[in-house]
Amino acid sequence: AQSVTQPDIHITVSEGASLELRCNYSYGATPYLFWYVQSPGQGLQLLLKYFSGDTLVQGIKGFEAEFKRSQSSFNLRKPSVHWSDAAEYFCAAAGDAGGTSYGKLTFGQGTILTVHP
Amino acid sequence: DTAVSQTPKYLVTQMGNDKSIKCEQNLGHDTMYWYKQDSKKFLKIMFSYNNKELIINETVPNRFSPKSPDKAHLNLHINSLELGDSAVYFCASSREAGGPFGELFFGEGSRLTVL
Repeated sequence: AQSVTQPDIHITVSEGASLELRCNYSYGATPYLFWYVQSPGQGLQLLLKYFSGDTLVQGIKGFEAEFKRSQSSFNLRKPSVHWSDAAEYFCAAAGDAGGTSYGKLTFGQGTILTVHP
Repeated sequence: DTAVSQTPKYLVTQMGNDKSIKCEQNLGHDTMYWYKQDSKKFLKIMFSYNNKELIINETVPNRFSPKSPDKAHLNLHINSLELGDSAVYFCASSREAGGPFGELFFGEGSRLTVL
């Protein structure tokens, strides 16, 4: 079955420190991959996405993610975290490259990021 | 101007009642969705509509009935509410109906609590 796993439920970092949030996927073929962020009481906002090509993708708010096929991973990184980055982060995947996914994303369970001053 | 808006944002009701959640998008998108986020924060797709046509129906109990009067609106009606229906329901929309599809734009969610 297709699945997305985020091994870390909760991560705490200090402001200014670097961040890496892990995401692993299990799909029959390379899926489309996404990272979304959800602030309290808000909807989900897309940070970045990977379809093909360069395995290092840049997103908004200074985030980047690297696709590693050999590890079935798509980890999210940020060199220096700001207090406003505190939120919940969701990794998601869609498996049908033929274009019939119609937005059927499979989400990971989410990682809550706490930022200490 | 809110891109995807849902009403109500909060809904508290008794078991057995019927309730509706409304969603509207002003992005001109063709495809709209309902996702459910349970108490463990798992997000799972329930329905997808493309130009008012049901595309995805993910083994959701038939107590849940989506309705799309036009491509800018997708409402969710729930009959005979059960405790397990308590969740946050997210509406979303996207431009591409097929792929490679791009970004899903999510509403702020509607938190349903069934007592």
